Amino acid sequence: DAKTTQPTSMDCAEGRAANLPCNHSTISGNEYVYWYRQIHSQGPQYIIHGLKNNETNEMASLIITEDRKSSTLILPHATLRDTAVYYCIVRVKNTGNQFYFGTGTSLTVIP
Amino acid sequence: DGGITQSPKYLFRKEGQNVTLSCEQNLNHDAMYWYRQDPGQGLRLIYYSQIVNDFQKGDIAEGYSVSREKKESFPLTVTSAQKNPTAFYLCASSIGGRDTQYFGPGTRLTVL
Repeated sequence: DAKTTQPTSMDCAEGRAANLPCNHSTISGNEYVYWYRQIHSQGPQYIIHGLKNNETNEMASLIITEDRKSSTLILPHATLRDTAVYYCIVRVKNTGNQFYFGTGTSLTVIP
Repeated sequence: DGGITQSPKYLFRKEGQNVTLSCEQNLNHDAMYWYRQDPGQGLRLIYYSQIVNDFQKGDIAEGYSVSREKKESFPLTVTSAQKNPTAFYLCASSIGGRDTQYFGPGTRLTVL
């Protein structure tokens, strides 16, 4: 399984863009990059996923490097409600159906 | 509203008792999953089911059991054989086994 590496914690000023990095240097060609977030004591919330191209939806943008070894989740205008733990996950395609959640990045949005 | 429901939100049990956690979805998803989360840690897969009447063990199935008699329901039983049952339990579902998983609100189980 491709493993991911994320910073343990980050701060971001309210209203500014939050850029959350993720390294996945052993990713294979058919594995997608997924992002979820989890607010304290709630279930994880799906944010976005991608394979090669950059992706954008109403919540965030996902930028994947050309070599696919790293990616960045961008929250364009962070609010206090974006304070959460953000998980970067590389999806195992061929063996089982598991999402391997690590410890993620704890993002704190500061007023 | 479509979604995944888990009940109850908080559950307390005495040591040595079996307890069943409920998970229901009305999304018409084929696949369902149970994860366990301990404080400050990520999620670990307990069991998953891709179709009715079929399920597979995840990484930490010992001390747990499941059933999948209906598409919309995937209850998890925490048995007395589970050595450290106190945790936050999360249920998820997906259209198929390879699709995006959507999570319920979780059940926090405390064994006294």
